[in-house]
Amino acid sequence: QVQLVQSGAEVKKPGASVMLSCKTSGYMFATYYMDWVRQAPGQRLEWMGTINAGGGGTSYAQKFQGRVTMTRDTSTRTHYLEMTSLKFEDTAVYYCARAVRGLGIWSYWGQGTQVTVSS
Amino acid sequence: DIQMTQSPSSLSASVGDRVTISCQASHDISNYLNWYQQKPGRAPKLLIYDASNLETGVPSRFSGSGSGTDFTFTISGLQPEDVATYYCQHFDNLPPYTFGQGTQLDI
Repeated sequence: QVQLVQSGAEVKKPGASVMLSCKTSGYMFATYYMDWVRQAPGQRLEWMGTINAGGGGTSYAQKFQGRVTMTRDTSTRTHYLEMTSLKFEDTAVYYCARAVRGLGIWSYWGQGTQVTVSS
Repeated sequence: DIQMTQSPSSLSASVGDRVTISCQASHDISNYLNWYQQKPGRAPKLLIYDASNLETGVPSRFSGSGSGTDFTFTISGLQPEDVATYYCQHFDNLPPYTFGQGTQLDI
């Protein structure tokens, strides 16, 4: 069955960088895009961007352009999200999510990774 | 960007009640709308896609309707396990994909 297993919680200082991972199994890796969605405390879900697992092409929400990089390693079936210049307001749970029925319809989700930005 | 507005922000209902949540898009999004359920500490779960299609394995008491800018999510016969926050989300050819602010449902 499809599984998305995310890396563990991170605590970072403002200005630092963080790299999160999402290890996948149970499907043809290169066939599907992977999206990243985050949720700050008490806030709505927020789409960050997407990566084509086959070709590696990416599309980021304008809010995150220049500060976020999505990559993938086809040999380990793992997706990565790197965020630089962390701010307090980047404190959130970050999810990887995979569509089934079409882009933007996410049937599979990772368990989430808590990122805390604190001085 | 398309803005999604849900109402109400919270509601309380009794077991067996019919519950309705509304979602309004700032622009016409045809039927490019999904509904998710999120329980505390858990990832969202897809319930309804393309405005009215029930995701596989989701109980039939959940339903969705609407098109254009106005959408409705309904639970017909509320169950205790339905306590959660519900989000609408638009998706179309051009990201960003945006979510409503959520509706917290209590019993």
